[in-house]
Amino acid sequence: QVQLQESGPGLVKPSETLSLTCTVSGGSIGTFYWSWIRQPPGKGLEWIGYIYYTGSTNYNPSLKSRVTISVDTSKNQFSLSLSSVTAADTAVYYCARVSGHSYGSHFDYWGQGTLVTVSS
Amino acid sequence: DIQMTQSPSSLSASVGDRVTITCRASQSISSYLNWYQQKPGKAPKLLIYAASSFQSGVPSRFSGSGSGTDFTLTISSLQPEDFATYYCQQTYSTPWTFGQGTKVESK
Repeated sequence: QVQLQESGPGLVKPSETLSLTCTVSGGSIGTFYWSWIRQPPGKGLEWIGYIYYTGSTNYNPSLKSRVTISVDTSKNQFSLSLSSVTAADTAVYYCARVSGHSYGSHFDYWGQGTLVTVSS
Repeated sequence: DIQMTQSPSSLSASVGDRVTITCRASQSISSYLNWYQQKPGKAPKLLIYAASSFQSGVPSRFSGSGSGTDFTLTISSLQPEDFATYYCQQTYSTPWTFGQGTKVESK
C-alpha cells in the first residue's frame, strides 16, 4: 500500500520560503507523476504543480514565479519550495500521487496534509 | 484556466436519499473529470476518475456520468458515512482546477 507523508515547518515568516518534503513509502517514486495541492482553511482545493520522476515539472501559472518542485529518487521523496510567502499562502498542503497520466490524470493516493501558517 | 462550477454548494439530505451533484466546466473537457470526497480534517479521497470509472474500493452506490461540459455524481442511497464535501476536478488541461465543493449535510 502506497503511503505519502508530508514534513516541514508548520510556521513560516512572511517573505521567507516555505519548504516541504513528501516521503513515499510502499512503492517506488519511479514511473509516476507526483503533485502538490493546497487548501486554505475553510476553502477549496488548489493545484500547485506536479513533477515526473525524471524531474520534468508543470506548475500552476498563478504560483509559477514562486514555486519549485524537485524530486530525489534515491530517497523516494519529492519537495515543494514556495518563495516570498504571505498570509495568503497559509493552507493545508497535501502531496499526492498522479495516476492515469495517459488517459485521465487523477490523484489516487494522498498524504494526510500539513498545515503551514505564514505569520511573524 | 478552465472554471469548474458545482451545484448546489450545499444540500441537506437523509440516510437513504438519492443525491445528485452537478459539475459544469467552462469549456469542453471530454471525460477528464474526477470526483473526490473530503471529510473534516482529512485528505480528499478519490471516488470516480475519467468521469465514470470507479476507484478501487469505492462503494457501488457512487456513480459518475457525463462528458463535454456537464457531469454528475450520484449517490444512490445516502449512508451515514457519506456526509462530507465533494469536489470535482478537471485534468483536461493545466492548470488542473477544482470545483468549489458541495457540502452534503444531514437533514
